[in-house]
Amino acid sequence: QKEVEQNSGPLSVPEGAIASLNCTYSDRGSQSFFWYRQYSGKSPELIMFIYSNGDKEDGRFTAQLNKASQYVSLLIRDSQPSDSATYLCAVNRGSSASKIIFGSGTRLSIRP
Amino acid sequence: DADVTQTPRNRITKTGKRIMLECSQTKGHDRMYWYRQDPGLGLRLIYYSFDVKDINKGEISDGYSVSRQAQAKFSLSLESAIPNQTALYFCATATGQETQYFGPGTRLLVL
Repeated sequence: QKEVEQNSGPLSVPEGAIASLNCTYSDRGSQSFFWYRQYSGKSPELIMFIYSNGDKEDGRFTAQLNKASQYVSLLIRDSQPSDSATYLCAVNRGSSASKIIFGSGTRLSIRP
Repeated sequence: DADVTQTPRNRITKTGKRIMLECSQTKGHDRMYWYRQDPGLGLRLIYYSFDVKDINKGEISDGYSVSRQAQAKFSLSLESAIPNQTALYFCATATGQETQYFGPGTRLLVL
């Protein structure tokens, strides 16, 4: 079992709809959780991070964390073609960044 | 100007050659990292450094070495390149809150 698992996709969503990206992790001691967006051939860029159970909203993006179920998700409302990218989930297993593990990413495609 | 820069951006080399990838940052972060990215495998940590005197191995350090020449500079060396080291390499810096900032990447091809 991978430490951080994501469905590789591609996930195809119509423009204007909600895109839902999911991530599960195996280490119950994990403390912080990150979502990065990576366009093809580019470097990852941070979208959101979340530390506590529940929802965290930032513009069109909402991160959801459920530590009991070891599950973190990213919702993108009003999806735009510019949201088409690979989304990487990252989990920090400890108190330092050296223990960050990345998932292999979900490729999202927004169709006009 | 970019906060995290990497040189070269692309490199083709032959098996057995020693090469160095360089990373510089102007963000003032103490923490610096080297990752490699392969299709379907995500980002994997090679080495990381929390300050000039601190160097640590990541999950896939074999065949690699690093040097932290200054707070702003962190270099990755492949002592004797082999074809399965063909990958996209990223340097990153991080805040104390663990948010990572990535350089533009170096695409390496080992023939």
